[in-house]
Amino acid sequence: EDKVVQSPLSLVVHEGDTVTLNCSYEVTNFRSLLWYKQEKKAPTFLFMLTSSGIEKKSGRLSSILDKKELFSILNITATQTGDSAVYLCAVEDDTNAGKSTFGDGTTLTVKP
Amino acid sequence: DVKVTQSSRYLVKRTGEKVFLECVQDMDHENMFWYRQDPGLGLRLIYFSYDVKMKEKGDIPEGYSVSREKKERFSLILESASTNQTSMYLCASSLPGESSYEQYFGPGTRLTVT
Repeated sequence: EDKVVQSPLSLVVHEGDTVTLNCSYEVTNFRSLLWYKQEKKAPTFLFMLTSSGIEKKSGRLSSILDKKELFSILNITATQTGDSAVYLCAVEDDTNAGKSTFGDGTTLTVKP
Repeated sequence: DVKVTQSSRYLVKRTGEKVFLECVQDMDHENMFWYRQDPGLGLRLIYFSYDVKMKEKGDIPEGYSVSREKKERFSLILESASTNQTSMYLCASSLPGESSYEQYFGPGTRLTVT
C-alpha cells in the first residue's frame, strides 16, 4: 500500500521566517510527487516533481525531490501571512496512472 | 481555466438516507476522483474513474458507490448514510495518459449526517 508521511504536522512561524516542510513516501511504482496548497477551500496545485535533484521554483516557494531517499522538501522563504495554509504532498503510482495518495498535510500558520 | 464544480457546499442528511454528491468538470478530463478529508487522516481516495462507465475502488470504498454516465459528471452515492460518513468530500479531475498531470479540485461538499 502506498504511503505518504508529512512532517511536521503543524508549524507556527513569524513573517519573514524561512520554513521547510518534509514529505517522505513509499510507493510501489513511483510516477510523480505533487505539492498542493489548501487554504479554506480546495487544494490548488503548486509543483510536480518527477526527477531527483532538480529544483522547482515559483517565487518564494521551491521544492526538490530525492528518489533515492524517498523524500521531498518544500521551502518557503520570507514567509507572509498569506502563506498560512495546509500544504499537502501526494505521490502518483505508475501502476494506476492518475491515482494519488495524499499525506495528512502540514498546517502552516504565519503570524504578523 | 479548469473548473470543477460540486452540487452542494453544505449538506445535512439523516442516518439511513440515500445521498447523491454530484461533480462536474468542464475541461474534458478523462480522470475523475472522489476523496474525503478528515482531520488527522488527510485526503483519502474513495473511488476514481478513467472514463465513462469505468470505475475503480480507491482506499476506502466501503459504504459508497459511484456513477459515471457522462464524461463530465462523476457522482458519489451513499446508499444509506451513516454518522461516520460525516466529512468534507472533494472531487477532482485530471488528464490521463503516460505523462503525469496535476489534479484540479472542486470546492468541496461538507456533509453532516445526523
